[in-house]
Amino acid sequence: SQTIHQWPATLVQPVGSPLSLECTVEGTSNPNLYWYRQAAGRGLQLLFYSIGIDQISSEVPQNLSASRPQDRQFILSSKKLLLSDSGFYLCAWGKGGRSYEQYFGPGTRLTVT
Amino acid sequence: AQTVTQSQPEMSVQEAETVTLSCTYDTSENNYYLFWYKQPPSRQMILVIRQEAYKQQNATENRFSVNFQKAAKSFSLKISDSQLGDTAMYFCASGHYGGSQGNLIFGKGTKLSVKP
Repeated sequence: SQTIHQWPATLVQPVGSPLSLECTVEGTSNPNLYWYRQAAGRGLQLLFYSIGIDQISSEVPQNLSASRPQDRQFILSSKKLLLSDSGFYLCAWGKGGRSYEQYFGPGTRLTVT
Repeated sequence: AQTVTQSQPEMSVQEAETVTLSCTYDTSENNYYLFWYKQPPSRQMILVIRQEAYKQQNATENRFSVNFQKAAKSFSLKISDSQLGDTAMYFCASGHYGGSQGNLIFGKGTKLSVKP
């Protein structure tokens, strides 16, 4: 069966510090991968998606970036965090093609102070 | 552009009763999927049910069922015999065929509270 992991689970970082959130998927190959952000009490905002290694698309221009160094690894980064980067970050994977459901990881709660 | 609207920010239901959550969507596509996701207090998103637009039969998963009205672009979720563990945020989402990225469009969610 497939599983998706995210770490860290929680993170408190000062403004201007760097960020690295990691997501890995097990039990499937060549998944589509997604990063979402969820602000408090709000819906999901798609940040990045990837259909393959080094194939990243950005949905929202901001100071975040994403990378996919391996087939089942997806990393969300920032060189300098802003207060507005606080939120709950969710990674998801999907089979793509004609099957569009996505499966989500446990999430990372980021607080920028 | 696709949009998904959930007009009920919050709802509550008594344990063992039935509740229906509303969702409307707008798409120009003919072939698409619709989903309901549940986000409990743990905040992990869980897929509850999916509906393929070309299927007329409403999807059912145990106590969860949908009322899919394609012409009206309506996709409501019915929870029967509500349980305390059903307390969560519920998100409606749509995705369409075409391309391989499989992006989903999410509504803003409905917060459901099940009361004992």
